[in-house]
Amino acid sequence: ETGVTQTPRHLVMGMTNKKSLKCEQHLGHNAMYWYKQSAKKPLELMFVYSLEERVENNSVPSRFSPECPNSSHLFLHLHTLQPEDSALYLCASSQDTGTGEDEKLFFGSGTQLSVL
Amino acid sequence: AQKVTQAQTEISVVEKEDVTLDCVYETRDTTYYLFWYKQPPSGELVFLIRRNSFDEQNEISGRYSWNFQKSTSSFNFTITASQVVDSAVYFCALRDLYNFNKFYFGSGTKLNVKP
Repeated sequence: ETGVTQTPRHLVMGMTNKKSLKCEQHLGHNAMYWYKQSAKKPLELMFVYSLEERVENNSVPSRFSPECPNSSHLFLHLHTLQPEDSALYLCASSQDTGTGEDEKLFFGSGTQLSVL
Repeated sequence: AQKVTQAQTEISVVEKEDVTLDCVYETRDTTYYLFWYKQPPSGELVFLIRRNSFDEQNEISGRYSWNFQKSTSSFNFTITASQVVDSAVYFCALRDLYNFNKFYFGSGTKLNVKP
């Protein structure tokens, strides 16, 4: 497998459920990201991990909890979500070279989340 | 603060028409990077181009071309002789020079190419 893989592709959950989104990258990158895509809004950066350390947390509610056990895997744990959290959640990775010259994002296909 | 604006929410054209997608950005940095990504119905954003702010040469790649104008803070994307397969959401993005992991995206332009 190549690229960035996200599972599941679709998820429907109630507000009291706990679920997790999974992302795996096969590109040898050392930085991973969670983005939220809502209709007609800019992509929102949620979390960034570089070398398994969280380097960015964009004022995301605590009902979203990221986990990066190694540089190839990234999880987003969800609990007590609200209907407005329904969106496409995109995972991305990049090679953090430290110079920024070649940095670009490679995305997965996303998890379409519906909160009822 | 960094910001990217894509004022066109949705555009519809007929196959073989040319179409331009607008992107206007705001930044206080003198060095930065601009990007275009394509998001087909499958959901995965696909990288199209990266442009360094020092390089104002326009670029052409097949039917795609990009017009970077620093004076107007714009980085527009033109598809010549559009095809149905070009139907997608297109995102423009800006990246800090020093914050390597911070990419600022616009809200995207949905392009519908009808046969």
